Amino acid sequence: EDQVTQSPEALRLQEGESSSLNCSYTVSGLRGLFWYRQDPGKGPEFLFTLYSAGEEKEKERLKATLTKKESFLHITAPKPEDSATYLCAVQGAGNMLTFGGGTRLMVKP
Amino acid sequence: DTAVSQTPKYLVTQMGNDKSIKCEQNLGHDTMYWYKQDSKKFLKIMFSYNNKELIINETVPNRFSPKSPDKAHLNLHINSLELGDSAVYFCASSARRRAGELFFGEGSRLTVL
Repeated sequence: EDQVTQSPEALRLQEGESSSLNCSYTVSGLRGLFWYRQDPGKGPEFLFTLYSAGEEKEKERLKATLTKKESFLHITAPKPEDSATYLCAVQGAGNMLTFGGGTRLMVKP
Repeated sequence: DTAVSQTPKYLVTQMGNDKSIKCEQNLGHDTMYWYKQDSKKFLKIMFSYNNKELIINETVPNRFSPKSPDKAHLNLHINSLELGDSAVYFCASSARRRAGELFFGEGSRLTVL
């Protein structure tokens, strides 16, 4: 059974204070690892796809990286508008996505 | 124009009732999904459906049934509602070759009293 564990559950940062979110996974036949952002009362919004170890993707202040066991979402100089819950998901041989519990990020001005 | 829209946004109902949630996507995607997000925020797949195949998560009770009148719509019917069905239900869609890149609706919060 595919499993995804995200840590920390919650992270409070000051504006400009860089940090990383972790996503550890076990999956049979990784087809892709995905990061989503979810704002309160909204559906998740797709951010990145990573397919193989060593791959990196960037978007504004966010950079996602992938190893054989985990993925990191690095947030550089965050702003209050980056506050959200960040979800990680893996797609294995079964083709369905398995989501982690998310990291709730709060960035204070 | 909303890409994936679902209605209603809120449902409050009594145990034992039957309810439906509607979903429509205007992205031209060929696969649609229903997900359940519980109080701990875990998102779990319930159904995956395209015009050829329905894939059901085996843990989903058969009181839940998806119905697709056409490629752009996937409705969720729930019979004999139970307290544990209270959750936020999300509809999503994807292109066939990008099955992990989901476009979600805003969710329907179901409360069973």
